[in-house]
Amino acid sequence: GAVVSQHPSWVICKSGTSVKIECRSLDFQATTMFWYRQFPKQSLMLMATSNEGSKATYEQGVEKDKFLINHASLTLSTLTVTSAHPEDSSFYICSAPAVVYGYTFGSGTRLTVV
Amino acid sequence: AQSVTQPDIHITVSEGASLELRCNYSYGATPYLFWYVQSPGQGLQLLLKYFSGDTLVQGIKGFEAEFKRSQSSFNLRKPSVHWSDAAEYFCAVVPSPGFQKLVFGTGTRLLVSP
Repeated sequence: GAVVSQHPSWVICKSGTSVKIECRSLDFQATTMFWYRQFPKQSLMLMATSNEGSKATYEQGVEKDKFLINHASLTLSTLTVTSAHPEDSSFYICSAPAVVYGYTFGSGTRLTVV
Repeated sequence: AQSVTQPDIHITVSEGASLELRCNYSYGATPYLFWYVQSPGQGLQLLLKYFSGDTLVQGIKGFEAEFKRSQSSFNLRKPSVHWSDAAEYFCAVVPSPGFQKLVFGTGTRLLVSP
């Protein structure tokens, strides 16, 4: 139980284009979704928290206009990297709290901007 | 400052030997405590969690962890390591009750030698 499905697993895009990453809670309702970024061989850095039906809360230093987060329903949260540049290349992971299971994580998205 | 510390960046253990990964936190109240494992290019998998009650927690894959309030620690242990245990291990904390954002340690990379 408490599975979060994240897509795509990897994506390569050209500099200046936008990329959307989706996270779906498959068997539970996720009113909250956390979005993390992970650089190689480093820990996870929380970027923002999305809540269904309200604006996302961004961590200090995260550009709201570059990383657009939408939590359209109780089962879907999306992260759109707008006007992507090579420095946005990273591993992005979503996570949702599920009471019994603690926090459940998506499988991650490897973004490469060329 | 409030934080989660994993003092060991890398640990190498012989297959079949015992393992202990250290985690300390600096929060006043008893937080929710988690251990996650991450294989390369993958999301995070929950090994075990502690909310309250018995301070020795059993998890998946033969792992256990012990919460020691006096030492503000939540060390992860396994009596006999298998080669498949080689991965990155993260300790994480929710500083106060309720499912708010996780604070991650910096991670410990486990290498298993033959």
